[in-house]
Amino acid sequence: QVQLQESGPGLVKPSETLSLTCTVSGGSISSYYWSWIRQPAGKGLEWIGRMYVSGSTLYNPSLQSRVTMSVDTSKNQFSLKLKSVTAADTAVYYCAADGGGGPFDPWGQGTLVTVSS
Amino acid sequence: DIQMTQSPSTLSASVGDRVTITCRASQSISSWLAWYQQKPGKAPKVLISKASDLESGVPSRFSGSGSGTEFTLTISSLQPDDFATYYCQQYNTYYTFGQGTKLEIK
Repeated sequence: QVQLQESGPGLVKPSETLSLTCTVSGGSISSYYWSWIRQPAGKGLEWIGRMYVSGSTLYNPSLQSRVTMSVDTSKNQFSLKLKSVTAADTAVYYCAADGGGGPFDPWGQGTLVTVSS
Repeated sequence: DIQMTQSPSTLSASVGDRVTITCRASQSISSWLAWYQQKPGKAPKVLISKASDLESGVPSRFSGSGSGTEFTLTISSLQPDDFATYYCQQYNTYYTFGQGTKLEIK
């Protein structure tokens, strides 16, 4: 049973870079595609981007200019960097898996990132 | 971009009721649609994939239908555990979620 756990700073200053890591346990990081999804408080879900261990990436066009995703297979981890953040990037950030263009399952528990000075 | 529109935004119902939530896509997505349930403070949980395939372990009172641009999620007899927010999601082109439907106790 694959399990995901997000980690990273809970507070980021405006204009800086948000960095999060998702650790995969209970399965191979090569078996899935990996996505980041975010949810502002009281609002809906927004897909940020997806990657595979080969390094291929697919980003939400609305965020593409600010997003970078990467993978560290030796640690069974993948990461998100979102640059030039503003208060609008304050949200719970989830990592999630899909089998290749399918629904997201499983998900991590989510981590709250607040953008504030 | 493919936009997903859910209706209603809020639904008040009682235990035992049959409820239906609708999701419309701005262009055809074939059957590449999933439904999720989310409870406060928790990650979403997938209920249905490919518009009508029930995920393992999901109660049979949940069902999905539709193709192209119109889809529905039906709960045949509401249970106390079903009061939550429901999202549709297309995975035909990138991934887009509907804005959510909050199912409240009447």
